[in-house]
Order: sequence, then C-alpha cells, then structure tokens
Amino acid sequence: EVQLVESGGGLVQPGGSLRLSCAASGFTFSSFAMSWVRQAPGKGLEWVSFISGSGTNIHYADSVKGRFTISRDNSKNTLYLQMNSLRAEDTAVYYCAKDETAGGLSSFDSWGQGTLVTVSS
Amino acid sequence: LPVLTQPPSASALLGASIKLTCTLSSEHSRYTIEWYQQRPGRSPQYIMKVKSDGSHSKGDGIPDRFMGSSSGADRYLTVSNLQPDDEAEYHCGESHTIDGQVGYVFGTGTKVTVL
Repeated sequence: EVQLVESGGGLVQPGGSLRLSCAASGFTFSSFAMSWVRQAPGKGLEWVSFISGSGTNIHYADSVKGRFTISRDNSKNTLYLQMNSLRAEDTAVYYCAKDETAGGLSSFDSWGQGTLVTVSS
Repeated sequence: LPVLTQPPSASALLGASIKLTCTLSSEHSRYTIEWYQQRPGRSPQYIMKVKSDGSHSKGDGIPDRFMGSSSGADRYLTVSNLQPDDEAEYHCGESHTIDGQVGYVFGTGTKVTVL
C-alpha cells in the first residue's frame, strides 16, 4: 500500500524558512515523479512544484519560483520542499503527491495527509 | 495558461445521479483532465482520467458508479446511486507544457451535497 507522510509544517514569521519532508513507502520511490500541492484555508488546490523520479527534471509554479526548492533523496525514499522568504499567502496545507509516471508531470494517483504551514507574525 | 471552470456547488438526492462539469479554456479543449475527490477534512483522492474522446481510466478501487465522459471542451464526472460518502469537493485538473515550462492547473472545485 502506498503511504506518503508529510512533516515539517508549523508557524513561521514572514520572511522565514521552513523545510517540509515527505516519507514514502509501499512503492519503488525512484520510479515515480513527485509533486507538492498546497491548499490555502477554504480555497482550492494549487500545484507548487514537480520533480522527476531521477531528480533531474524540476519545475515550479510562478508563485514560488526563486523561493522554494524541491529535492528528493531516493536512498531515503524522501521528498523535500525547502521554503524560503515565506509570505502570508504561502499559508496552506501542503500535500506531497505521487505521479503515475516517472519522467513527466501527469496526474497524482496518491496523496499524503498534508502538513499545515502558517506564515504569520 | 489553461483555465478549468467548475460550478461551485451541486446537489442531488440520495440514490440519484449527479453530473459534474469541468470546462477547459477553448484553446486547450482537447486536453486530458483528471478528477479528484476530497471529502471534508481529508486529503484529495484520485478518481479518474478523462480524455477528449470520452474514454476514461479509473484509479484503483473506484466504484463502477463513477463514470467519465467528454463533449467538446467539457469533461464530465457522473456519479450514480449517490451515497452519503459521496458528499465531497470534486476537483478537476490537467497537466500541460507551454514554452517548455511544465505545470498543472486545478479548477476551483465543485462542492457536492447529497440531499
């Protein structure tokens, strides 16, 4: 059974940094691309970032480009999201999501339970 | 960027059917979309992929009551024999590559109420 468990969320001041992790199990982690998707309170879903199974292909939404960095450690079956220069509008539940393919951004067939990031002074 | 339009809410009686619509922007009318279900307080769950020709492929464990179809720029999710557990937010989304940039866009979601 696929399991994705996010951690690292919390309260951070504007301009601060946070690193999210997503521990994966139940599938061959390196064979699948992964994404981060967020959901602001009471709002819809917003795709944030994508990384291919090998880690060589990376893309970001314009809203986080230059501030967030996605990475993965296939030896540890873990996905990361380094978030810098955080803003109030980054407040959201952050989900890690498994792609159905290895190389390209396709669709998200499994999701974690999410971790809440709150940016506030 | 592609735009996906969804009505904000829909409702139907217990045991009835409901047809949800996701409309693609005209220049992207041939795109494949995905449907996701998000029950209150839960994370999203993949339901199915719907292509422009109306063919669809469901995720593991998705009941036969869930069907996909297509007409022009519209992609549909029909849920038959509505159950209390079907009360949820339904999101559509699609992946795209524009000028070498990969991305994924979601619609605003439709909240389904089972009466």
